[in-house]
Amino acid sequence: SQTIHQWPATLVQPVGSPLSLECTVEGTSNPNLYWYRQAAGRGLQLLFYSVGIGQISSEVPQNLSASRPQDRQFILSSKKLLLSDSGFYLCAWTAGLEPQHFGDGTRLSIL
Amino acid sequence: DAKTTQPNSMESNEEEPVHLPCNHSTISGTDYIHWYRQLPSQGPEYVIHGLTSNVNNRMASLAIAEDRKSSTLILHRATLRDAAVYYCILRGSGYALNFGKGTSLLVTP
Repeated sequence: SQTIHQWPATLVQPVGSPLSLECTVEGTSNPNLYWYRQAAGRGLQLLFYSVGIGQISSEVPQNLSASRPQDRQFILSSKKLLLSDSGFYLCAWTAGLEPQHFGDGTRLSIL
Repeated sequence: DAKTTQPNSMESNEEEPVHLPCNHSTISGTDYIHWYRQLPSQGPEYVIHGLTSNVNNRMASLAIAEDRKSSTLILHRATLRDAAVYYCILRGSGYALNFGKGTSLLVTP
């Protein structure tokens, strides 16, 4: 069966520091991968998606970037975090137009 | 993407059925209706989806209006573990899922 892993579960970072969040998927090949962010009390906002290695599409302009160095690995990064980057970050995968499956998320707090 | 409208919140008693409504009057012919739910501090969980016909699975039932402009997620016997935010989403050919604010379901014992 397929599983998705995200880490870390929680993270506290100072303003201006770099960020790297990792997501890996097991049990499937060539998945579509997604990064979402959920601000407190709000719905999910799609940040990036990827349909293959090295292919990244950005949905909103921002301080973040994404990379997909391997088929089942998706990384969310920032060179310098802003206070507005705080939130709940979720990775998801899907095969084609099948339902998306989400990880447990990373709660990021910026101080 | 076509938009959905859901009530902000609903309340149910434990072990009673719950009907969660969703309006999607601008749905296109190829949009699937997906439902997800999100428990506190967790990622969303897929519940059910359908196109035209009513659908049943182990978690819930999905009733779709004949004109497809509305749908209802049915939890047959609500439990305390069903307390969550329920999202009704139209899935077309694009990659993004448009999560609105959803319906916050409160289940009371």
